[in-house]
Amino acid sequence: KAGVTQTPRYLIKTRGQQVTLSCSPISGHRSVSWYQQTPGQGLQFLFEYFSETQRNKGNFPGRFSGRQFSNSRSEMNVSTLELGDSALYLCASSLSDYLGTDTQYFGPGTRLTVL
Amino acid sequence: AQRVTQPEKLLSVFKGAPVELKCNYSYSGSPELFWYVQYSRQRLQLLLRHISRESIKGFTADLNKGETSFHLKKPFAQEEDSAMYYCALRGTDKLIFGTGTRLQVFP
Repeated sequence: KAGVTQTPRYLIKTRGQQVTLSCSPISGHRSVSWYQQTPGQGLQFLFEYFSETQRNKGNFPGRFSGRQFSNSRSEMNVSTLELGDSALYLCASSLSDYLGTDTQYFGPGTRLTVL
Repeated sequence: AQRVTQPEKLLSVFKGAPVELKCNYSYSGSPELFWYVQYSRQRLQLLLRHISRESIKGFTADLNKGETSFHLKKPFAQEEDSAMYYCALRGTDKLIFGTGTRLQVFP
């Protein structure tokens, strides 16, 4: 099976702009989670989608939003970009299971730089 | 509070030496704990989970509820073990990661 794919791999934006990141999960996986990875904060959970519904959300401002489509592909949007949003954004997919022990499979990430 | 603490940012050892990567957690319920690894230029991937009680690439981790720890151990480190290691806890509604420990294994 093909792994989790994320596009684009690199992005450079300026403050105030908005950005949309895309994630295609492993075929058959219905859960998609997003994480922000920075050197200072490590990996922080953004949100999780399952069957087109947001199941869980981390402690991020409303500028961060996402959605999931019927084919399980997910997009993440960040509006009014700030310098502090510069990070590696990781997407992970798993089979299903709310609060279960499903393994999360990670994509390569999208490196966002905000100037 | 639900929290994962990895006290060491960097751990350096020589090949053949024992390795112990520390992880402590804070969680009021019955914890589910994992170790993820990220090799250079590769994706983050699951190494092992406590529920499976397995040994992967020579690594083991035992859940100690009394000490709220889930340390990762390997008796003899190899150069290919050099990577970033993350301990993670499945909380009530999300996966919580520690800040990671970089393991450097010198020849």
